[in-house]
This record gives sequence, structure tokens and C-alpha cells, in this order.
Amino acid sequence: NAGVMQNPRHLVRRRGQEARLRCSPMKGHSHVYWYRQLPEEGLKFMVYLQKENIIDESGMPKERFSAEFPKEGPSILRIQQVVRGDSAAYFCASSPPGGGRDNEQFFGPGTRLTVL
Amino acid sequence: AQSVTQLDSHVSVSEGTPVLLRCNYSSSYSPSLFWYVQHPNKGLQLLLKYTSAATLVKGINGFEAEFKKSETSFHLTKPSAHMSDAAEYFCVVWRRYGGSQGNLIFGKGTKLSVKP
Repeated sequence: NAGVMQNPRHLVRRRGQEARLRCSPMKGHSHVYWYRQLPEEGLKFMVYLQKENIIDESGMPKERFSAEFPKEGPSILRIQQVVRGDSAAYFCASSPPGGGRDNEQFFGPGTRLTVL
Repeated sequence: AQSVTQLDSHVSVSEGTPVLLRCNYSSSYSPSLFWYVQHPNKGLQLLLKYTSAATLVKGINGFEAEFKKSETSFHLTKPSAHMSDAAEYFCVVWRRYGGSQGNLIFGKGTKLSVKP
């Protein structure tokens, strides 16, 4: 059973470009979470999605950031008009329906975004 | 509201000596608590979890943690440090929205250095 997959692993963008980060949850998982880790900081929750629904986006910046988890295909975190402050590691996690055993989330390897 | 506070940003030990990484939590209900480890430029790996079963929780690689309700603590310990333990460790609490839905709240992390 493959784990959570994220691609690309590394992404370089120039200021003003768009960044699209992809996350494929573990097989059978229908809950996806995105977290951001800024340099020298812990992970901060961004958004929680189930298939075709955003459950909680309280951690998402109000502008330029959006996320989706379509019925088919991976979850996408999209950052429009990137700025240098968006440089960070973005982690995706997944969990089974009903929260799974003990509310555990399984993390992907992360996408490291660098904005030049 | 749920939160965790990691009391030390850096801990340095010698190989073969005990490890203690401190974490205090705040929760309005019986919490689910986790410790994750992150090696440099890697994803997150679950070390152990507490979910209201035994208060002494054993994890991977010889780590364990004790849930102490009276002290609102969930400190991570290991009897004898190994060079490969050098990494960043995150104490995490699960924040429940309602039912089985929730997300993870991370501490700021503790960087563990192991000297030969």
C-alpha cells in the first residue's frame, strides 16, 4: 500500500508565477490536510478537505491560495502570484473516513517551494 | 482550545545518555497526543501516539512518552541516545471540530543534537 504521495518534491518559481502542488492520499483515505512549514518553524494547518468539499480552510491565507480535492484525481494546493514569503515546505496528510484509528494522519514527503 | 508547548527549542545530549524532550498540552477534553520526528529535508514520521489507553506509550526506535494529566505533560524520553536520533521532534495535539473531524496542532519543534 503506497503512502501519501506528493509532487513535485521541489518546485522553483519566480515571483508572480503560479505554483500547483499535488497530493495523492493513501488508498482508501478520503480526508486530506495541507500544512505549511516555514523555515525554523513548526507545521501550521492550512486546510482540511474531503472529496469535493472544503471542511475547514481557517489556516489558508485569504488571498492567492486555494485548494481542491476533486472526486477523481489528487488534491491540489494552488498558489497564485507567488511571493518570496511563500517559500516553504508544504506537507499533505491523509486519514481514512471517520478519522481512522486514533485520529492519526499519514504524511507525505512534502513539496519544497522556492520563490526567486 | 487545544495547544501544545514544547519547552525547549534545542536539546543537546551525548551518545549513550538519556533523552528528554518536554511538551505541555492544553485541551478542553481528553486529548489525542502524538510525537512526530523529522529528519533534515525529510517528511514526518510518527513516533508514538496517546489516545486515552495506557498512560505510558511506547513508540518506535526505543522512544516512549508518559501522559500525565495532573501536569498536563506528554514528555518524550529515550534511555540511550543514538547518533541517528539527531532530528527535529514535534509534539502534536489533535483538535476536534465535532464527531470524527479534526486537524493537528503542532508545537514549534525541538531540535535534538547528539554528540559523539
